[in-house]
Amino acid sequence: DVKVTQSSRYLVKRTGEKVFLECVQDMDHENMFWYRQDPGLGLRLIYFSYDVKMKEKGDIPEGYSVSREKKERFSLILESASTNQTSMYLCASRHSGTTPTNEKLFFGSGTQLSVL
Amino acid sequence: AQSVTQLGSHVSVSEGALVLLRCNYSSSVPPYLFWYVQYPNQGLQLLLKYTSAATLVKGINGFEAEFKKSETSFHLTKPSAHMSDAAEYFCAAENYGGSQGNLIFGKGTKLSVKP
Repeated sequence: DVKVTQSSRYLVKRTGEKVFLECVQDMDHENMFWYRQDPGLGLRLIYFSYDVKMKEKGDIPEGYSVSREKKERFSLILESASTNQTSMYLCASRHSGTTPTNEKLFFGSGTQLSVL
Repeated sequence: AQSVTQLGSHVSVSEGALVLLRCNYSSSVPPYLFWYVQYPNQGLQLLLKYTSAATLVKGINGFEAEFKKSETSFHLTKPSAHMSDAAEYFCAAENYGGSQGNLIFGKGTKLSVKP
């Protein structure tokens, strides 16, 4: 069964802490994504990566960075966590296919981050 | 910029009633379109997708959606709601012409099913 695994289901951090959210996929997908989900706002793209060491900013990259050293792993980093980064974070992956592509996204179960 | 609009953040139906969740996209070029479902405490999973092969698309769990170019719509329907359909539903469009691999999501519609 294909899998996208996020390391933590719930996470509580303090303001100013550096936070790492990890995501691993076992499907050899080229594309990986980090979304933020907030009530009434839907999913907003933070960053995505289309290959190892390659990344592109999404719609709301401020306050975040990412790392993709290996194809299967995509990390989201909050350099200095703030209370407005309290949210559900969803990782996703898919094959790149053509552009545009109709390849489907596979999602992890999400990490609910609370910044106090 | 492309956008996806879902009409109604909450929809409530009775068990056995028709489910209709609305989605409109804005694009001069019909994109690839998707419906995803999110059950409580889970990630999103694909319900169905439009790829221009057929305007009526059938998905999992008895859902289907019809692509109407003239109305720029891709509404999701199910003839008879089950309690297990209670979830949040997201319409999404491929970001045609945008960054590689990105989807534009609607804000979501939460479906409640009353017994």
